[in-house]
Amino acid sequence: GAGVSQSPSNKVTEKGKDVELRCDPISGHTALYWYRQSLGQGLEFLIYFQGNSAPDKSGLPSDRFSAERTGGSVSTLTIQRTQQEDSAVYLCASSLSSGQVNYGYTFGSGTRLTVV
Amino acid sequence: GNSVTQMEGPVTLSEEAFLTINCTYTATGYPSLFWYVQYPGEGLQLLLKATKADDKGSNKGFEATYRKETTSFHLEKGSVQVSDSAVYFCALSDLGTPLVFGKGTRLSVIA
Repeated sequence: GAGVSQSPSNKVTEKGKDVELRCDPISGHTALYWYRQSLGQGLEFLIYFQGNSAPDKSGLPSDRFSAERTGGSVSTLTIQRTQQEDSAVYLCASSLSSGQVNYGYTFGSGTRLTVV
Repeated sequence: GNSVTQMEGPVTLSEEAFLTINCTYTATGYPSLFWYVQYPGEGLQLLLKATKADDKGSNKGFEATYRKETTSFHLEKGSVQVSDSAVYFCALSDLGTPLVFGKGTRLSVIA
């Protein structure tokens, strides 16, 4: 597609429920990144994919968080048993490849998650 | 590990004022440096970048020079406009690793 598409744009969920956040990267971009943006915390790296593989999962905050990417395209970030501290904006970005960071990332508009 | 420190905001300036947003970094290797901007209601966009020492990145009147000796990449603009109001993020990537971002600096420009 023309840009990085994320859905839903907003999600309100009850504490303890599971949520799935979707990211559709730019066509042809093999690298995909997930970040979390919390108020006053900047952008926190969660995980990235090169193709369908996730070389670096070091940023996932707990085992309640998982992500997958299939077909080298769409990625889903799943948060199980959501907690209030999971409330944040979840950003997805893509780039040509993980080794070509100098071309920059293209970010989606994010999913604002609110856990009540 | 790698990290980026940028000045705390918010920064409020009058139109046509000079802007500096400080950014310093810590990296184990020889990183590439970036400034990203997030306009209200929009996603982050790459503003400018520099990949080696003494390189100057520039775009939309903004400039930043890669200073290896001071590990800095300060963002400057000679005359800000109301339309420059946004959150600015300094970032680095070392050896192709995912971008590491600073906490962001909110800039408000008033007419």
